[in-house]
Amino acid sequence: DAKTTQPPSMDCAEGRAANLPCNHSTISGNEYVYWYRQIHSQGPQYIIHGLKNNETNEMASLIITEDRKSSTLILPHATLRDTAVYYCIVRLHSNTGNQFYFGTGTSLTVIP
Amino acid sequence: KAGVTQTPRYLIKTRGQQVTLSCSPISGHRSVSWYQQTPGQGLQFLFEYFSETQRNKGNFPGRFSGRQFSNSRSEMNVSTLELGDSALYLCASRKDRAYEQYFGPGTRLTVT
Repeated sequence: DAKTTQPPSMDCAEGRAANLPCNHSTISGNEYVYWYRQIHSQGPQYIIHGLKNNETNEMASLIITEDRKSSTLILPHATLRDTAVYYCIVRLHSNTGNQFYFGTGTSLTVIP
Repeated sequence: KAGVTQTPRYLIKTRGQQVTLSCSPISGHRSVSWYQQTPGQGLQFLFEYFSETQRNKGNFPGRFSGRQFSNSRSEMNVSTLELGDSALYLCASRKDRAYEQYFGPGTRLTVT
């Protein structure tokens, strides 16, 4: 799995967009970018994943650069409940394995 | 649809004892993974079970073991507990070929 680099912490004002960056310069062609978040003392929660194209769901948008060496998770209107640690993970999609390596992530604090 | 459930939620054990944790996946999910989370090491993959077979294993000593039953429920066992085994143990389930995995709330194990 490709290594990812994320800033350790970020702040965002409530109601504003939160843009969380992730660098994955060694990503290979078949590796997906996954985002999970973990609210304090709860299990991680799946947010979104993508391969090449930008993706959007009800929770967030994922923007992947054309060279795929970095990506940005966007929470369009951050709320206090979005305060959490956000993990960017790069790995192959496997039908026969579910081993995810979580790094240290980005601790996002949404400020009222 | 019920989420992943883990029992017990909290547990206190003494060094040298053994412990068994239980995980019930989301209905229809046959893959169950276990993770250990500590402040120092973060989220670390323990093992994954699929259709009652261990499919992947992380870098943990043999004191950590698991199994999966025909109804996909899984248990993990830690023998000869050490102080360093104090952690949040998380279980995640995944549907065949799905990209996302769903985590339970975890079992908080304290070893004294």
